[in-house]
Amino acid sequence: QVQLVESGGGLVKPGGSLRLSCAASGFTFSDYYMSWIRQAPGKGLEWVSYISSTSSYIKYADSVKGRFTISRDEVKKSLYLQMNSLRADDTAVYYCTRGGPYYGLDVWGQGTTVTVSS
Amino acid sequence: QSALTQPASVSGSPGQSITISCTGTSSDVGGYNYVSWYQQHPGKAPKLMISDVSNRPSGVSNRFSGSKSVSTASLTISGLQAEDEADYYCSSYTSSSTSVFGTGTKVTVL
Repeated sequence: QVQLVESGGGLVKPGGSLRLSCAASGFTFSDYYMSWIRQAPGKGLEWVSYISSTSSYIKYADSVKGRFTISRDEVKKSLYLQMNSLRADDTAVYYCTRGGPYYGLDVWGQGTTVTVSS
Repeated sequence: QSALTQPASVSGSPGQSITISCTGTSSDVGGYNYVSWYQQHPGKAPKLMISDVSNRPSGVSNRFSGSKSVSTASLTISGLQAEDEADYYCSSYTSSSTSVFGTGTKVTVL
């Protein structure tokens, strides 16, 4: 079945780095835009970044631009989010999703929790 | 990019219809027909309910419908059921080629 499974979350100190991974299965990964969405505790959804099917088109939210890098590996059918210079306000559940900015995000992972705290 | 504006809460009795609004600008909701709606139950990942303003993905109940007028999109839930109690978020494509979510609406079934 179509599935996205995130990993890599955890506790990190302010200024630290973390790399999130998302393993895709059950669909042709290379056909789809992919996105990262986050949700801070008790808060709403926030779009973080998306990457086109060929990695030629990438966009970031202003809140993470210059600190986060999205990438994908077609052989491993995986999506990544490299997060550097982490701040307390980056604390959130991070969701890997299938889709880009146009047609809706139709498949979501279960989420991985990132906590930035000293 | 500021979040799209949604009412904090909407409530209705079983069987009734409710409508959730999502207000943006000409740079997002008003400029494109790329508005989506998501349902999120507590502790769960969001679920796509409507895409492209009014398209319902396979498997989504036809009690859910979407529309748009100028810069305000709307999600209508007809025949409200207890299982519809959840948080709902709208999302739109923007003129900066990014995405923006709404502030979220908590739906309560009385």
